[in-house]
Amino acid sequence: EAQVTQNPRYLITVTGKKLTVTCSQNMNHEYMSWYRQDPGLGLRQIYYSMNVEVTDKGDVPEGYKVSRKEKRNFPLILESPSPNQTSLYFCASSLLGTGEAFFGQGTRLTVV
Amino acid sequence: AQSVAQPEDQVNVAEGNPLTVKCTYSVSGNPYLFWYVQYPNRGLQFLLKYITGDNLVKGSYGFEAEFNKSQTSFHLKKPSALVSDSALYFCAVRDGLSLNDMRFGAGTRLTVKP
Repeated sequence: EAQVTQNPRYLITVTGKKLTVTCSQNMNHEYMSWYRQDPGLGLRQIYYSMNVEVTDKGDVPEGYKVSRKEKRNFPLILESPSPNQTSLYFCASSLLGTGEAFFGQGTRLTVV
Repeated sequence: AQSVAQPEDQVNVAEGNPLTVKCTYSVSGNPYLFWYVQYPNRGLQFLLKYITGDNLVKGSYGFEAEFNKSQTSFHLKKPSALVSDSALYFCAVRDGLSLNDMRFGAGTRLTVKP
């Protein structure tokens, strides 16, 4: 089954404790992206990747890191989480060009 | 860079009435346009897309969208709304010239009342 898998689905952590949210897709998509969704602000892009070892900043990259060492994986790293990073996070992948995006189920992160 | 605007935060319609959720876009090249739906506690699901060809695109769950190049719009429509259509809807665009990243609108919450 074609899918994008995010883990964990829910996470509560403390300020400053490094964390990684994993994202994996099984569709051989070139493009992968991370978004955060906050009430009233819609879907804001954090980082995206056009292919292995190619990443670029989205609209709200501050406080986040990503890597794309393999085509299928695109982890989101919060080196020192802060409460303003409490949000619902989505990973997505697609073929470049005309392909629609496939989304993971989301990760609800709470930083206390 | 490409961008998308959804001018309405909220759309309310009565069940059985037609619905329209608006979207306008800005790109340098040809637009590749998409609509997604998000139900509570779920990820976004693809509804339909316009790449080229017929301006009226049909998608999942009876939805359709009309591409209007002169007005740079891609409004989502359905002839007869269902209560189960109540959800958050997102429009997205990719620039066909640069083939770079996909940008989303802020979303429109559709509420269909019985």
